[in-house]
Amino acid sequence: QSALTQPPSASGSPGQSVTISCTGASSDVGTYNYVSWYQHHPGNAPKVMIYEVSKRPSGVPDRFSGSKSGNTASLTVSGLQAEDEADYYCSSYAGSNNLVFGGGTKLTVL
Amino acid sequence: QVQLVQSGAEVKKSGASVKVSCKASGYTFNGYYIHWVRQAPGQGFEWMGWINPNSGGTNYAQKFQGWVTMTRDTSIKTAYMDLSRLKSDDTAVYYCARDKYLGLGYFDLWGRGTLVIVSS
Repeated sequence: QSALTQPPSASGSPGQSVTISCTGASSDVGTYNYVSWYQHHPGNAPKVMIYEVSKRPSGVPDRFSGSKSGNTASLTVSGLQAEDEADYYCSSYAGSNNLVFGGGTKLTVL
Repeated sequence: QVQLVQSGAEVKKSGASVKVSCKASGYTFNGYYIHWVRQAPGQGFEWMGWINPNSGGTNYAQKFQGWVTMTRDTSIKTAYMDLSRLKSDDTAVYYCARDKYLGLGYFDLWGRGTLVIVSS
C-alpha cells in the first residue's frame, strides 16, 4: 500500500494554531478509525499524541486534537509552544493486518 | 519502569544480515504485539510488520516478506528483527514499538531506535 500523504512542512508562531493533514485512501483512512499521530524529536523515541482519530492519551495536552473527514485525517495543534517543534507522523490501519505511515511533517514554531 | 530497550548500532556489509533486539520491561510482555518500524536518513517512517509475543505469530508488510524474520524469546522478554541480504538502502534507524491494540496500530511505547548502517 502507498504511504499516506502529509505536507513536508508546517509552521506557526507561538500561540497560533496549525493543522497538519494526512491523506490516504478509502482502503485505509477512509474506512478505519484507527488513525494515530506521533510526535518525533529526532534522536528520541516517538510519542503518540492522538489515537483512534481523535483520542488523546493520558498526559498529552488538550492543545492537540485530531479529526477525520473522508480519506483525510488532521492533527491540530492550538496555542503553539516552542516545545511543539518536531516531526509529526500519521499512521492508519489499512486492513488485512497492515499499517501505513505518512511521510512526516516538520512543524516549525517561528 | 515501562520501557523497550534496543540493541546498539550495527555496521554491516552489503549482503549480510542484521539482528536487532528489543527488550521489554515493566509490563506483561505477552500482552502486546511488538511492531518494527524503520526510518531511512531524511525519510519518514516505514512499517515492517509485527510479532505476537504470546503465540509467536507474525505478519510482515508485503515489501519485507521473504527477507525479514521477527521472533521472540518470552523467557527474557525480548523481541528480535532479523533482516537479511542487506543493501545500502536498508541503512536506517530501526524502532520497535508496543501496540496497545493488537495489530491495529496504537503505538504507546517505543524503543529509542537502533541505527543500522550498510556499507558496500
